[in-house]
Amino acid sequence: QSALTQPASVSGSPGQSITISCTGTSSDIGYYDYVSWYQQHPGKAPKLMIYTVNKRPSGVSNRFSGSKSGNTASLTISGLQAEDEGDYYCSSYTSSRTVFGTGTKVIVL
Amino acid sequence: QVQLVESGGGVVQPGRSLRLSCAASGFTFSNFGMHWVRQAPGKGLEWVAVISYDGINKYYGDSVKGRFTISRDNSRNTLSLQMNSLRAEDTAVYYCAREGWLSATSFDYWGQGALVTVSS
Repeated sequence: QSALTQPASVSGSPGQSITISCTGTSSDIGYYDYVSWYQQHPGKAPKLMIYTVNKRPSGVSNRFSGSKSGNTASLTISGLQAEDEGDYYCSSYTSSRTVFGTGTKVIVL
Repeated sequence: QVQLVESGGGVVQPGRSLRLSCAASGFTFSNFGMHWVRQAPGKGLEWVAVISYDGINKYYGDSVKGRFTISRDNSRNTLSLQMNSLRAEDTAVYYCAREGWLSATSFDYWGQGALVTVSS
């Protein structure tokens, strides 16, 4: 199972909106509505930000939103803040397994 | 509060074995599927294995299939990963993670990670 494809980095100024893409195949993202997004700060464990494409766990800011079209999922961060800087990973369920994306470094300018 | 604490990491020679454990607390362990996810130094996340809530169903990533075995002891609230025939490319921080309460296809709680270094 190949990793999902994400851009290596995305940057934006405070207050702006950015979008991270996550491209898979018709066997994972394209087939299941089971895309999740995780935020990871250096030296820390990942944190769940979005599940089942567009749902936010309790406590996650509504500045984070998810969507999907075909084989590509997206995470949008609105009103970018300094604390949003870090690595972001998408994941998809596929046939009893999970595949992660390659990861995207979000840089707040 | 939910807590997952990994242990058992360390330095091991190529070809040898190591066993990781994950102690769970703050939730009914026997109700949740559990996963292992690893992250090589400076690299991205890689899913390793999953075990169902009752220990019956187990699935593995291609890179560890046949070498790693996931297991659980619901009486002791403990998840384990037996790693055999270790290779340099298995060097990583290993996280245990709980399947999501709202969606079993996500991971809502993670441990702090255990570092495994495979080196001669």
